[in-house]
Amino acid sequence: GIQVEQSPPDLILQEGANSTLRCNFSDSVNNLQWFHQNPWGQLINLFYIPSGTKQNGRLSATTVATERYSLLYISSSQTTDSGVYFCAARTGYNFNKFYFGSGTKLNVKP
Amino acid sequence: GAGVSQSPSNKVTEKGKDVELRCDPISGHTALYWYRQSLGQGLEFLIYFQGNSAPDKSGLPSDRFSAERTGGSVSTLTIQRTQQEDSAVYLCASSLVGGAGSPLHFGNGTRLTVT
Repeated sequence: GIQVEQSPPDLILQEGANSTLRCNFSDSVNNLQWFHQNPWGQLINLFYIPSGTKQNGRLSATTVATERYSLLYISSSQTTDSGVYFCAARTGYNFNKFYFGSGTKLNVKP
Repeated sequence: GAGVSQSPSNKVTEKGKDVELRCDPISGHTALYWYRQSLGQGLEFLIYFQGNSAPDKSGLPSDRFSAERTGGSVSTLTIQRTQQEDSAVYLCASSLVGGAGSPLHFGNGTRLTVT
């Protein structure tokens, strides 16, 4: 399977700051998603973004498939953004598995 | 329902007992996944169902684990003779189809504690 690496592993922000989370993957993918796991353990789908750029409010994501990475931008962070952010990737030759990174743990302080 | 539903939300069991975890996917979603998340860790793939095709069981950690999906909808994950290392959150996800363009939607998980 493919390797999915996320950085940084931990991030502490002051409320209002901006941040960029990175996801590198070792092979070409046809499905790339970003998830937020809140402190209660719920996994929320943020973006389905195998390529290109998408924006949703204060969040945006960019995937450069040819260079095998994706970025998640959080602007004007809020305490409710705290939690763990996962990216998950799937290749075009194995539809069965999404490979997850080990996550970026974000703590936004008031 | 509107989302993926899992039950029970919490399960405490004694070592050696069998447990059944249930997942009800979003209506119309043909692809269903089970993942496991140990404390503070990432997600580990367990099994994948797609329509009437044979499931991909390659992630099941031992023969004590099994899963079925009846009528292409509800799925049950069964763990026999539970061990303490089985303690984790078991997450179910579904998607519209198994192909490239389908986002995953997760349930809230079942937190299993084996004492």
